[in-house]
Order: sequence, then structure tokens, then C-alpha cells
Amino acid sequence: KQEVTQIPAALSVPEGENLVLNCSFTDSAIYNLQWFRQDPGKGLTSLLLIQSSQREQTSGRLNASLDKSSGRSTLYIAASQPGDSATYLCAVRLPRGGSNYKLTFGKGTLLTVNP
Amino acid sequence: SQTIHQWPATLVQPVGSPLSLECTVEGTSNPNLYWYRQAAGRGLQLLFYSVGIGQISSEVPQNLSASRPQDRQFILSSKKLLLSDSGFYLCAWNPHRNSPLHFGNGTRLTVT
Repeated sequence: KQEVTQIPAALSVPEGENLVLNCSFTDSAIYNLQWFRQDPGKGLTSLLLIQSSQREQTSGRLNASLDKSSGRSTLYIAASQPGDSATYLCAVRLPRGGSNYKLTFGKGTLLTVNP
Repeated sequence: SQTIHQWPATLVQPVGSPLSLECTVEGTSNPNLYWYRQAAGRGLQLLFYSVGIGQISSEVPQNLSASRPQDRQFILSSKKLLLSDSGFYLCAWNPHRNSPLHFGNGTRLTVT
């Protein structure tokens, strides 16, 4: 059974700092991995999707990396801003069969960027 | 561009009452549609997904059911709510099962 863990559960940093959020998964046979952010009381916003054949994806100040063999992904946020404050979740998709429709989510990291 | 609508935003219902949550997607055809639930302190749990009209797959057998009466409409229902049905319900879609998943703004359900 695939399990996804995100450490730390909460992180507080001063504005302008570069930071890394971690995601680990137990079954390395994934199809892809997706990072989301969730603002309080809102739905999830897709940030980046990394296919299993890729090592990283970049969007603006965000960079996500994937090391499938070790079961790890990181989300790097450069020059953090107060508007980056949110919960960040990662999710993995299994490669085949009916389970391919299902994303397994971590519980998220609550990020607070202090002005 | 594609948009997803979900309503209502909040709902307070007594135990034993029925439930109907609706989700629609605009700007695309034949999307894959999903219902997730997010309970406090727990990760997101996939409840149902649909790959086409009338096609529903259940991930977690429980007090809830789903229907897809139209191509871009997905409905989550219950005949009799339980206290344990309280949570944050999220509808999501993607054009292909391996493409990014996009979520609606969610419905906060409180069963009293």
C-alpha cells in the first residue's frame, strides 16, 4: 500500500528565505507526482506535475524534483513571500490499472512566511 | 479555459437528513470527475471517480453514492447522513487520468 509522508508538518520562515518542502513515498513504482497548495478553507491549486521519467519541473519561483528510486520529492521555493503562506501537499499516482485514477496524498506541510 | 464549480460552499445538516452536492465543469468535454473528502488531521480520501456518463467507481464503500447524469455534472448524495460524514468535500477533474488534477473550492459539510 502506497503511503506518502510530508515532513515537517509545519514550517515558519522569514520573508525572502529560500526553503525546501519534503515528500516521501513508500512505493517507488509511481507514474507521476503532483504538488498542490491549499489556502485555508479553499480547494487545492495544482502547482507542478512531474512524470516518473522526469527529474524536475520549474514554474516561476517553484522547483520540484523527483528521485523515484529513493522515494523522495522536494519542492523548492525561492525568495519566499507572505503570499506563499499555505498548506502544501504532494500526491503520487500509481502506474497502472484502476488504481491509476487514484492519487495518494500526504497530509501536507503548513507554511507560514512572516513579513 | 476550463473552470470547475462546486456548491454549496457550506452546509449544516442534521443526522439522518439527505445530502446532495453538485459539481460542474465548463470548457471541456468527457472529463474524468472525482469526489474527495478531507477530514481534519487526515489526508485527502478518494470517494468516487467517473470516466463517463453513468460510469461510477467507488473507492470507499460507505454511506455515500455518486451519479453522473450529464457529461460535465457530478453529484454526491446520501439518503441519511451520519455524524461521521462531516468533512470538506472536494470535486476535481482532469482531461486524462495521468494529467494534472484540478479541484473546485470545496463544500464544508457539518452534520449535527
